[in-house]
Amino acid sequence: AQSVTQLDSQVPVFEEAPVELRCNYSSSVSVYLFWYVQYPNQGLQLLLKYLSGSTLVKGINGFEAEFNKSQTSFHLRKPSVHISDTAEYFCAVSDGGEDKIIFGKGTRLHILP
Amino acid sequence: DGGITQSPKYLFRKEGQNVTLSCEQNLNHDAMYWYRQDPGQGLRLIYYSQIVNDFQKGDIAEGYSVSREKKESFPLTVTSAQKNPTAFYLCASSPQRGAGGADTQYFGPGTRLTVL
Repeated sequence: AQSVTQLDSQVPVFEEAPVELRCNYSSSVSVYLFWYVQYPNQGLQLLLKYLSGSTLVKGINGFEAEFNKSQTSFHLRKPSVHISDTAEYFCAVSDGGEDKIIFGKGTRLHILP
Repeated sequence: DGGITQSPKYLFRKEGQNVTLSCEQNLNHDAMYWYRQDPGQGLRLIYYSQIVNDFQKGDIAEGYSVSREKKESFPLTVTSAQKNPTAFYLCASSPQRGAGGADTQYFGPGTRLTVL
């Protein structure tokens, strides 16, 4: 079965600085990859997803992620963060052709003024 | 407005009581999901359903039950057999069954259950 590792449980970063949130998954077989964001006391919403094609995926709110098959990684990046990006970010991967995905444990992004 | 509604937002229960969490969607989605979220644990799948009158266990189904009698509704019952039910519960839906995990999941706002 698939698994997802988000290497950092919390990431502090100064406002307007760049940020990278790391995500690795377990299997190199064909996968679909997702990043979701959760603002405090809310449900999750999709930031971006990789299904096929270009390995650089652009999402909402200025975020992008790069699919790296050889390193089984799908790191999320933003060149300049804002206070409004304060949230928890979840990486997820499809699970072997079934209609479900596996979530990582999440990374809390703290924006410092 | 199309979307997913969960009720109630907050729920308190005494130990030993069953409680049912509501999830309704008007997106005409085939698949629906229930997740449990605990601090530092991410989201763990409880049950999911791809079609009416059918559902599958997820990773942590013990102590929970579901039904899918209508396409738009997927209620979750937390039974007294669930040893540690205090958590944030999220319902989600996705458009098509058989998409192999490619579909985006759309989430409700969640229900926070506290067992007293």
